[in-house]
Amino acid sequence: NAGVMQNPRHLVRRRGQEARLRCSPMKGHSHVYWYRQLPEEGLKFMVYLQKENIIDESGMPKERFSAEFPKEGPSILRIQQVVRGDSAAYFCASSPRKTNPTEAFFGQGTRLTVV
Amino acid sequence: SQQGEEDPQALSIQEGENATMNCSYKTSINNLQWYRQNSGRGLVHLILIRSNEREKHSGRLRVTLDTSKKSSSLLITASRAADTASYFCATDRDGNYQLIWGAGTKLIIKP
Repeated sequence: NAGVMQNPRHLVRRRGQEARLRCSPMKGHSHVYWYRQLPEEGLKFMVYLQKENIIDESGMPKERFSAEFPKEGPSILRIQQVVRGDSAAYFCASSPRKTNPTEAFFGQGTRLTVV
Repeated sequence: SQQGEEDPQALSIQEGENATMNCSYKTSINNLQWYRQNSGRGLVHLILIRSNEREKHSGRLRVTLDTSKKSSSLLITASRAADTASYFCATDRDGNYQLIWGAGTKLIIKP
């Protein structure tokens, strides 16, 4: 049973381009959480999704950021018109159910660098 | 608002010594977890302690939790060079799925 898979592991984008980060949850997991880690900081919650639904996006910037978790395929975190401040590591976690985040398993992260 | 705060921010010790890191939090919690992150890498789950537990061991790791002081400590005994990493605490509250993270302690083990 493969763990949470994120790709790409490293992504370089020029300012103004779009970044698409993918997260495939563990088999049987229908809940996905995205966290962002700025350099030298801890993780900050961004968004929580279930299949085809955004449950909580309170941690997501209002503009340029969007997330989806379609019925088929991975969850996508999309950042439009990237700026240097978007450079960070983006981690995805999945769990089999909403409650008990202790059951969440983390991916290896995608490191986004905006140049 | 930041829930977990680790201290020290950075810790440098000789191989073989014990390393102690602390985490404080603000609100009541359900569980507290410690994670390790090697430089530029992913997160490794180390240990979870529930709010009704006071101490937990796993190999060379010992975690304590004092809910009255809203603090936890992570002790790594007989440190090794491979323990060099950043260590984070993360808390969750009952009924809330978000994990709240501290800024981490950067541990350097000198050979």
